[in-house]
Amino acid sequence: AQSVTQLGSHVSVSEGALVLLRCNYSSSVPPYLFWYVQYPNQGLQLLLKYTSAATLVKGINGFEAEFKKSETSFHLTKPSAHMSDAAEYFCAVTLSGSARQLTFGSGTQLTVLP
Amino acid sequence: DTGVSQDPRHKITKRGQNVTFRCDPISEHNRLYWYRQTLGQGPEFLTYFQNEAQLEKSRLLSDRFSAERPKGSFSTLEIQRTEQGDSAMYLCASSQGQGVDTQYFGPGTRLTVL
Repeated sequence: AQSVTQLGSHVSVSEGALVLLRCNYSSSVPPYLFWYVQYPNQGLQLLLKYTSAATLVKGINGFEAEFKKSETSFHLTKPSAHMSDAAEYFCAVTLSGSARQLTFGSGTQLTVLP
Repeated sequence: DTGVSQDPRHKITKRGQNVTFRCDPISEHNRLYWYRQTLGQGPEFLTYFQNEAQLEKSRLLSDRFSAERPKGSFSTLEIQRTEQGDSAMYLCASSQGQGVDTQYFGPGTRLTVL
């Protein structure tokens, strides 16, 4: 079985500061990893995904994430936060060869301070 | 807009009543998923369709829950004899069904059971 742990249910950064949202996974087989963003009263939007190609994955809105097998991590970063980045972020994992159901972490609420 | 749509967006019902939600996936997407999201948590997988076949169901899907996708297009999720614990956001997602395909989420149906 696979699982995801997101460290920090709430993260606050100043506008223009580095954004770092942490995600660690547990999987017995090579995983596929995703970051989704959810704005209030909206569905989830895919930011980026790792599918065993390049370990550094670039996504939309300036976000990127690095897959580190040795650390079982897939942290999300953005060099400079914008006010519009304030939202909830979810890390998710699925297994190769599975039905592709996603297992989500509990989410990190990002607040961007002016 | 050809994204995933869900209807209704909000549903308030009394305990013991039956409710039905509809999901219209992106056209020609073979896979359709239902997830449930409670406050402060990430989405949890409920069930999955490949075309009209329901291939996987979570243990979260009690016998009061039933899902259908009769013609491999739209899907319905019915909850019978609702309980207060059923209050949640019900999310639908669809994907093309090829490789590690991206799941596209709808805006969700928020259910409140009084």
